[in-house]
Amino acid sequence: EPEVTQTPSHQVTQMGQEVILRCVPISNHLYFYWYRQILGQKVEFLVSFYNNEISEKSEIFDDQFSVERPDGSNFTLKIRSTKLEDSAMYFCASIGTFQETQYFGPGTRLLVL
Amino acid sequence: DAKTTQPPSMDCAEGRAANLPCNHSTISGNEYVYWYRQIHSQGPQYIIHGLKNNETNEMASLIITEDRKSSTLILPHATLRDTAVYYCIVTYTGNQFYFGTGTSLTVIP
Repeated sequence: EPEVTQTPSHQVTQMGQEVILRCVPISNHLYFYWYRQILGQKVEFLVSFYNNEISEKSEIFDDQFSVERPDGSNFTLKIRSTKLEDSAMYFCASIGTFQETQYFGPGTRLLVL
Repeated sequence: DAKTTQPPSMDCAEGRAANLPCNHSTISGNEYVYWYRQIHSQGPQYIIHGLKNNETNEMASLIITEDRKSSTLILPHATLRDTAVYYCIVTYTGNQFYFGTGTSLTVIP
């Protein structure tokens, strides 16, 4: 069964460093999302992406964040200068054009020291 | 913000049906009701969704009231592996999800 994959599964970085989280959505899916979950808190929407541009973004998704689909398979989330409060699980999700269901990846656990 | 209200926690005996309620009194006509679950810190797992009619799949059944203001997720024969946080989400197809705090279901041996 097709699935969304994410790499790395864990990443530790120093405050102020740039990180790139990678996602491979399900093949033929066209809508992509990033969510995050701070430990013990709710899953929060960050950004949605369609047709090579951002569709919606939350107030969390400030200028330090960016998304890109550099090729036909990868979907990336970049944090330019990480802060301690960026420590969280980051989930990628995708949905097909004629489907109604978002499928989530396993997540990347980011720890900022 | 989440448009749904769920009890924070529930227990269910193993092998019994687990009935998880959700209130969504402000649901709009074309919004779907989705159910996902999250085991530990894994990615949310899709369970089932519906618009107006009751739905059933291999995992669960979804009962939506006629006025669509509430729904119930039914796990017919709960197992220990069904212990998870269950989220009820109301949104339009293709829109982002706004997660609430969900219901923490504990299946008891």
